[in-house]
Order: sequence, then C-alpha cells, then structure tokens
Amino acid sequence: EAGVAQSPRYKIIEKRQSVAFWCNPISGHATLYWYQQILGQGPKLLIQFQNNGVVDDSQLPKDRFSAERLKGVDSTLKIQPAKLEDSAVYLCASSLVAWNSPLHFGNGTRLTVT
Amino acid sequence: DAKTTQPNSMESNEEEPVHLPCNHSTISGTDYIHWYRQLPSQGPEYVIHGLTSNVNNRMASLAIAEDRKSSTLILHRATLRDAAVYYCIRLSGAGSYQLTFGKGTKLSVIP
Repeated sequence: EAGVAQSPRYKIIEKRQSVAFWCNPISGHATLYWYQQILGQGPKLLIQFQNNGVVDDSQLPKDRFSAERLKGVDSTLKIQPAKLEDSAVYLCASSLVAWNSPLHFGNGTRLTVT
Repeated sequence: DAKTTQPNSMESNEEEPVHLPCNHSTISGTDYIHWYRQLPSQGPEYVIHGLTSNVNNRMASLAIAEDRKSSTLILHRATLRDAAVYYCIRLSGAGSYQLTFGKGTKLSVIP
C-alpha cells in the first residue's frame, strides 16, 4: 500500500511570502490531519478533516493559515503571509476511520522562513 | 497538555531489551494508550496501542499497569534502526480522535 505523499520535501521562503503544501493520503482514508512540528518538539495538531469537512481547526492560526480538502481526498495547507516562527516541519497524516485507527504520517515538508 | 510523562532520553545497547516507561496517572477508564516513534527526518510511525491488558505485535510489546496509571513499551531486542523518539500518547475515549504529542523519549542505541 502506498503511503501518505507530501510535497514539496523542502521549501525556503522569505517572511511575508506565501507558501502551499500538498498532501495525498492513503486511498480510502477518511480522516486527514495536518501537524506542525517545531525543532525539538512533538507534532502539534493544526487541523483535522473527516472526508471534506473540518472536524477541528481550533489550533490553526486562521489569520495566516488555511487548509482545504477538496473531494475528500487531497489536501493543501497554505500560509500567507509567513512569519519567521512558522519555520517547522509540516506533517500530513491519514487514518482509515476516525477513532482508534493508527495514523499514517507522511515524511513532511520542512519549511524555512528567512 | 500531553497528559503523559516520559523520560527525555534513554540509552540501550544493541541486541538488548529496552523498556520505555510512560506515566499517565490521570487516565480515565476509556482512554487508550498509543505509542508512536519518529526516526530522524521521517514522520511518526505507529508502534502499538492498548487499553487494559498487555499487547504484542511484530514491533513491540506494551505492558499496562493494573491500575493503568503507567505503561511500558518493550522492544525485545534493540537494533540500530530502533534509535528514534518514542511518543506515549493518551487517547481519550470521548470526543474526536486526536493525538496530542509530548516531547517523547529519545532512544539512543549503542553498537
């Protein structure tokens, strides 16, 4: 089974620029998550989708971050404008059903904001 | 609030068993314990999960204390590939399915 695909693998931008990350979950996985992982810390949940609906976006900085999951499959996470503190690895994960199924993570996009 | 407590780091010799502890003293009766690990430059990887009784799979064993306030992830024979950060996560039995990661335990394996 193919894993969770994310692109790009690395991205370097200047502050105030915009950036977008793409995620393709495992086929058939209804639940999709975006996590932010700052160096030396554990991943922090940004947003959770169930099919194409948002379950929880309470930790998403909505003044600059946005995410969508069209047709309940692929998802994009956008930052506009970026700040220095947004430098992190952005991880996408998916699971088969909402509760108690293992999460499958992609290898993430490493963002550096200069 | 990760709701679990783990040592920051541990060391193990290659080919020896490793016992990674986790404290979750405020756990409720319907909360599951999940373990994930993260190898360098990779996303987290599911290891094992359990509720009350001990669990085994091809990767590891999970021993849960009788009062459920603590658990131990057991790697039966550490290899260099097991060097990673191990996260112990308490998953609430109520509400949406969200994993809250703490800082985890960084396991070093010595050849």
